[in-house]
Amino acid sequence: DAGITQSPRYKITETGRQVTLMCHQTWSHSYMFWYRQDLGHGLRLIYYSAAADITDKGEVPDGYVVSRSKTENFPLTLESATRSQTSVYFCASSETGDSPLHFGNGTRLTVT
Amino acid sequence: QQQVKQSPQSLIVQKGGIPIINCAYENTAFDYFPWYQQFPGKGPALLIAIRPDVSEKKEGRFTISFNKSAKQFSLHIMDSQPGDSATYFCAARGYGGSQGNLIFGKGTKLSVKP
Repeated sequence: DAGITQSPRYKITETGRQVTLMCHQTWSHSYMFWYRQDLGHGLRLIYYSAAADITDKGEVPDGYVVSRSKTENFPLTLESATRSQTSVYFCASSETGDSPLHFGNGTRLTVT
Repeated sequence: QQQVKQSPQSLIVQKGGIPIINCAYENTAFDYFPWYQQFPGKGPALLIAIRPDVSEKKEGRFTISFNKSAKQFSLHIMDSQPGDSATYFCAARGYGGSQGNLIFGKGTKLSVKP
């Protein structure tokens, strides 16, 4: 039972490069989320999706792009990475809008 | 963005002690208050949650106390163990909202010394 898997686990990229973080869940949950975790800021929502082909902005969406062509996948793309996007990124899913979040183990991204 | 203020930032207790983590919110339209526990290198996981129609909820050694008039809620860990050492996040969600409307506190790093 894999649950929710994020890849890569660690990524180093340069300023200006495009980078995509992957998220895959095996539960067929309707909802998927992307959060970033930074010291002093806790968890902040970047984007979320209520179903395939439906996405919505969270608290900090600028500089990020998401897509959800299949229920199980929810990739997050940084089109032109900046140092301020150095963070730990967590993907999460929930069965419904009202049910608990299940988080992946995160991707630690460093932008140099 | 409505805030959820969490304190303290860090907490050190001896084994068997009762750490208490506090959260305060501003928006009276919140109707769901979960706590998440995060171990190093892992994602957060739901620990316990409460709705504003009750003042206390207990699950094992973990208790949430809720004070609706003061707009505060807190997590108590009874008989704390070294294995409870983790970062704890409180959160709040508005009425009728989905988890997309969940607002997290900034977290409390708890260390339980043997």
